[in-house]
Amino acid sequence: DADVTQTPRNRITKTGKRIMLECSQTKGHDRMYWYRQDPGLGLRLIYYSFDVKDINKGEISDGYSVSRQAQAKFSLSLESAIPNQTALYFCATSDLRGRLSGELFFGEGSRLTVL
Amino acid sequence: GIQVEQSPPDLILQEGANSTLRCNFSDSVNNLQWFHQNPWGQLINLFYIPSGTKQNGRLSATTVATERYSLLYISSSQTTDSGVYFCAVDETSGSRLTFGEGTQLTVNP
Repeated sequence: DADVTQTPRNRITKTGKRIMLECSQTKGHDRMYWYRQDPGLGLRLIYYSFDVKDINKGEISDGYSVSRQAQAKFSLSLESAIPNQTALYFCATSDLRGRLSGELFFGEGSRLTVL
Repeated sequence: GIQVEQSPPDLILQEGANSTLRCNFSDSVNNLQWFHQNPWGQLINLFYIPSGTKQNGRLSATTVATERYSLLYISSSQTTDSGVYFCAVDETSGSRLTFGEGTQLTVNP
């Protein structure tokens, strides 16, 4: 099983619908992130959380919200989806402790299409 | 914010060839990682290398932090090396990475 699990892996929805993407991890990391990838481009940071009580905006947070329900769970919501939010979304984790300190680990991605 | 430029944007090789991918960044960094995105979209960690040199099999990477660049070397390329290679950096010791736009590598048999 993957250490960082995203659900759903694929979703097609309509403009105006509310969508939630969920992420759970078994790595025991404190820090979790949501990134977005548009075709032909690199990833851009949407939100990040350094612990359960900490939520921070990234580069492109407008139109998104997040919830850190537990150390292992971090969800991304689109309150009213629009077509230009069609993208591949990645959850990631990292930790400041241990041998792999600072290294970022990604889930397998959630492909969202907004019609 | 910090800028990350990768070159070349596209690279086509014959199986067995060697290649060098470059990543330039505009400010000092405390975190630099190389990733491979395979044709199925999965992001695979290659190296965590804010400075120095590391090797893993046919791949190696060098970061010269004082000159603000990193190089990824692929030797004896295989078709399974195809995909997009991303460099990503953070000015802090955290992991709020800023990504370059990647190098699309195609290895032909």
